[in-house]
Amino acid sequence: NAGVTQTPKFQVLKTGQSMTLQCAQDMNHEYMSWYRQDPGMGLRLIHYSVGAGITDQGEVPNGYNVSRSTTEDFPLRLLSAAPSQTSVYFCASSYSPGSYEQYFGPGTRLTVT
Amino acid sequence: GEDVEQSLFLSVREGDSSVINCTYTDSSSTYLYWYKQEPGAGLQLLTYIFSNMDMKQDQRLTVLLNKKDKHLSLRIADTQTGDSAIYFCAESMKMRFGAGTRLTVKP
Repeated sequence: NAGVTQTPKFQVLKTGQSMTLQCAQDMNHEYMSWYRQDPGMGLRLIHYSVGAGITDQGEVPNGYNVSRSTTEDFPLRLLSAAPSQTSVYFCASSYSPGSYEQYFGPGTRLTVT
Repeated sequence: GEDVEQSLFLSVREGDSSVINCTYTDSSSTYLYWYKQEPGAGLQLLTYIFSNMDMKQDQRLTVLLNKKDKHLSLRIADTQTGDSAIYFCAESMKMRFGAGTRLTVKP
C-alpha cells in the first residue's frame, strides 16, 4: 500500500492564481480530510468527507473547495490564491470519522506571493 | 469555541523522562490522540486513549487522562535523541489539534 499520497510537494503561486492540491489513498478509507498547518497554531481542519459524494466544511473552509467523486481521491482547490493561504497542507484518511487511527500524507508546502 | 492547548517547547536530557501536557475543552470526544511529527514529514499516530480510560501504557509511552480536569499527558521514559520532534495532542469529536510541543533532547 502507498498509504496517503499528496502532490505536489512544493508549490509557489502568485496572488489570484488557482490550483488543485491532489490527495489519494489506497486503503479504501471512507473518511478523508484536509488540514493546514501554520506555525504555533497546530493543524486546522479545512474540509472533510465521510464518503464519495459527501463533503462538509471544517474550521477554516473559506477560500477552498473540495469534491469527492471517488473513494480514493479528495482534491483541494484554491480558486484565487491569497498570501494568507501560505501554509503546509496535509491530507488524511481513516476508516471512519473519529476513528482511532488517521493516516496523514507527507504534506504540500504552498507559498503565495 | 472548543480548544486544545499545549505548551510549545520542552527540553530534556537524554535518558530523562519527558512529560508533555495538553488540556482540552470538548468532553464528548471518544478518543484522545498523541501524534508525532518529525522535520519535513507528516504526522504519525503515536498512541491514543479511549475517553473511558485513565491510563494507557505502551512500551516507553504512558498516557494519563484526567477527565474531570480535561487534562491529557504523554510521558516518554528514557528519552532518546531520536524522540526529538513536535508532539501534537488531538481530540476525536471535531479533530481539533493542539499547537504542538517541540521536544528537544540534549545528549
